Amino acid sequence: QKEVEQNSGPLSVPEGAIASLNCTYSDRGSQSFFWYRQYSGKSPELIMSIYSNGDKEDGRFTAQLNKASQYVSLLIRDSQPSDSATYLCAVNVKTSYDKVIFGPGTSLSVIP
Amino acid sequence: SAVISQKPSRDICQRGTSLTIQCQVDSQVTMMFWYRQQPGQSLTLIATANQGSEATYESGFVIDKFPISRPNLTFSTLTVSNMSPEDSSIYLCSVEDGTYEQYFGPGTRLTVT
Repeated sequence: QKEVEQNSGPLSVPEGAIASLNCTYSDRGSQSFFWYRQYSGKSPELIMSIYSNGDKEDGRFTAQLNKASQYVSLLIRDSQPSDSATYLCAVNVKTSYDKVIFGPGTSLSVIP
Repeated sequence: SAVISQKPSRDICQRGTSLTIQCQVDSQVTMMFWYRQQPGQSLTLIATANQGSEATYESGFVIDKFPISRPNLTFSTLTVSNMSPEDSSIYLCSVEDGTYEQYFGPGTRLTVT
């Protein structure tokens, strides 16, 4: 059973702090990794994708990937109340066909 | 990214009936997916729908319960058949751009009474 796990929430951080979201995956063959943001009552929105080991930065968001440790993280710098949402980690897996599986999500609350 | 619409946005249905959900994309895509998201839960893949071939269902989902059509590269439907209260959920379609990045429609909120 190929799995994606995320740190349990909810996670609360003060406004302006760094929020750190973690994700581990079981399939060593995975090559593509994604972070989605889902506001309450809305559908998931892709915010970051990462394919190579190391860091990838996009504005206040940094995704970090370590394939050897099967670990991917998302850092949100200068957290804003508008960042309050559930963050879903997603990973591609290869079974008899390619597909993406989603982690359970981590709820983030940024306190003004 | 593609613009995706779904119909209906929400519905309340009686048990034993069926509902067909439509997903329309503004550009041609090869891969379309149907997900279920139960309250407070993550996304569960129901099936992958490629144009011109039978849908591929995930474990726990069967064609008789969730028949899918994919008549062309911009449209798909998911039917939830013989509904029970356990089928109450949000149903989402998504498309992939060829790099495993997926983009989601707004979802259909289904309540079965």
